[in-house]
Amino acid sequence: AQTVTQSQPEMSVQEAETVTLSCTYDTSENNYYLFWYKQPPSRQMILVIRQEAYKQQNATENRFSVNFQKAAKSFSLKISDSQLGDTAMYFCAFWGGNDYKLSFGAGTTVTVRA
Amino acid sequence: NAGVMQNPRHLVRRRGQEARLRCSPMKGHSHVYWYRQLPEEGLKFMVYLQKENIIDESGMPKERFSAEFPKEGPSILRIQQVVRGDSAAYFCASSPTGGSNTEAFFGQGTRLTVV
Repeated sequence: AQTVTQSQPEMSVQEAETVTLSCTYDTSENNYYLFWYKQPPSRQMILVIRQEAYKQQNATENRFSVNFQKAAKSFSLKISDSQLGDTAMYFCAFWGGNDYKLSFGAGTTVTVRA
Repeated sequence: NAGVMQNPRHLVRRRGQEARLRCSPMKGHSHVYWYRQLPEEGLKFMVYLQKENIIDESGMPKERFSAEFPKEGPSILRIQQVVRGDSAAYFCASSPTGGSNTEAFFGQGTRLTVV
């Protein structure tokens, strides 16, 4: 079974500054996908960014970027120029090989301060 | 193209009653996944269905829980004789194909409260 670990339960950041969320995972798969999802107070799960393991280039999506270290099995998310609307719970997720399901970490609550 | 629709958004049941949660996938999606989120935790996989078939139910409790995805109509997650420990948010996701090379789109979830 795949395990996803998010070691930071809570993070706080000043508006306009940068925050980095950590995520590690454990797998024996070689072909897999990694995701960061955002869950605001509305509870909607919103896909923030996706990374294919076979791609060496780190994915970016506007102010969101990842640092994917395949050998270390690490997948951190950087939020640049933080905005108040970024306040949410962030989940790291793994979907591997021929598996049918996403495996989620426990989440990191990010609070952006005005 | 409407997103994944779940209803009801909130459901309150007394202990021992039945809960029925509905999920209409996105148009063109024939793969449905159910996840459960306990307070302050991440989402845990419950079951994966295609039309008329249960593909993987490894995350479903052995008793009281069942799921279906009929040829016509929404997918249903059914919880019989609910207990307080069933209180959680239940999320449905759908995808056009199965496997990890696709994207799963989530509904807004149903928050079940057992009193």
